[in-house]
Amino acid sequence: LAKTTQPISMDSYEGQEVNITCSHNNIATNDYITWYQQFPSQGPRFIIQGYKTKVTNEVASLFIPADRKSSTLSLPRVSLSDTAVYYCLVTQAAGNKLTFGGGTRVLVKP
Amino acid sequence: IAGITQAPTSQILAAGRRMTLRCTQDMRHNAMYWYRQDLGLGLRLIHYSNTAGTTGKGEVPDGYSVSRANTDDFPLTLASAVPSQTSVYFCASSHTGGPTDTQYFGPGTRLTVL
Repeated sequence: LAKTTQPISMDSYEGQEVNITCSHNNIATNDYITWYQQFPSQGPRFIIQGYKTKVTNEVASLFIPADRKSSTLSLPRVSLSDTAVYYCLVTQAAGNKLTFGGGTRVLVKP
Repeated sequence: IAGITQAPTSQILAAGRRMTLRCTQDMRHNAMYWYRQDLGLGLRLIHYSNTAGTTGKGEVPDGYSVSRANTDDFPLTLASAVPSQTSVYFCASSHTGGPTDTQYFGPGTRLTVL
């Protein structure tokens, strides 16, 4: 299983860009990287997924370097409603052995 | 469209009692999952099922059992609850169980074992 490591928490202010880096040193060739967002008392919600280079959607961008041993979730111009826990997930092509990181608690301040 | 529903929302249970957490999805997803979430540990996979009639063990399966009699339902059973099983339990589903699948999570069940 590819173990992931993320910062425990980070603070930001409204309108700023937030970047969260996840380490996954033993990621396998066919693994994908997925990020989820979780609000209090709710289940996680999918944000973005990638395999290599850069992926962008309407919510976030995901940067993955060539060695794929880490990935960075970028949230542009955050608002108070982006306060949540963000999880980095490595998913294996061979099955359902899913590994969630410990999560990064992002607090967006006014 | 309900998505995934879980029941009960919360439960307090005496140690040694049997408990079944229910999970139902209406998206016709093949794969379903059970996770537990504990403070500081993120989500850990308990059991999963890639299709009706099959199940597999996740990271922390001990003390739990599952069944998948049909596509929609994936109950999680604690045969004899212990205090260390106090946690928030999330059920999830995805289309095929492949690595690019998006997992859709239920609202969770908060279980306290005394």
